[in-house]
Amino acid sequence: KAGVTQTPRYLIKTRGQQVTLSCSPISGHRSVSWYQQTPGQGLQFLFEYFSETQRNKGNFPGRFSGRQFSNSRSEMNVSTLELGDSALYLCASTHTSGGAGEQFFGPGTRLTVL
Amino acid sequence: AQSVTQLDSQVPVFEEAPVELRCNYSSSVSVYLFWYVQYPNQGLQLLLKYLSGSTLVESINGFEAEFNKSQTSFHLRKPSVHISDTAEYFCAVKSHSGGSNYKLTFGKGTLLTVNP
Repeated sequence: KAGVTQTPRYLIKTRGQQVTLSCSPISGHRSVSWYQQTPGQGLQFLFEYFSETQRNKGNFPGRFSGRQFSNSRSEMNVSTLELGDSALYLCASTHTSGGAGEQFFGPGTRLTVL
Repeated sequence: AQSVTQLDSQVPVFEEAPVELRCNYSSSVSVYLFWYVQYPNQGLQLLLKYLSGSTLVESINGFEAEFNKSQTSFHLRKPSVHISDTAEYFCAVKSHSGGSNYKLTFGKGTLLTVNP
């Protein structure tokens, strides 16, 4: 099985712009979670989608949003970019929502905001 | 709310030495516990997990972790490390309270550097 794929791998934007990141989960996985990783804050949970519905949400401003499509692929969008949004954004998929199911992570998208 | 504390941000060791990466958690409900490893420029990979049963869990590459409920700890150990073990290690907790909040909460990570 192919692993979790994220596109693009690297992105450079300027303040005020918006960005859309894409995540394709492992085939058959219906839950997709997004995390932001920075040196200062570590890994922080953004949100989880399951069957096209947001199941959980972290403590991020409304500029961060996401969605999931019927094929389980997910996108996250960040509007009005700020310098502090520079981070590695990781996507993880699992078969079901909740429970002890292992989350499989993609390689991440490294976003740099100038 | 649940939280994870990794007591050491960096752990330098020599090759073939033993290592322990410490992890403590807090949660008001029962939890699942995980250790993930992140190699440079890669995503996270699951190293091992505790769900229930035996408190000692092992990975295929020689790491082990022991769940200690009274001390709310899940320390990671390896008796003899290799250069290739150099990576960042993350401890994580997920509650299973029966509600819908199953998010994974991570510690800040411990950078293990194995020197020759």
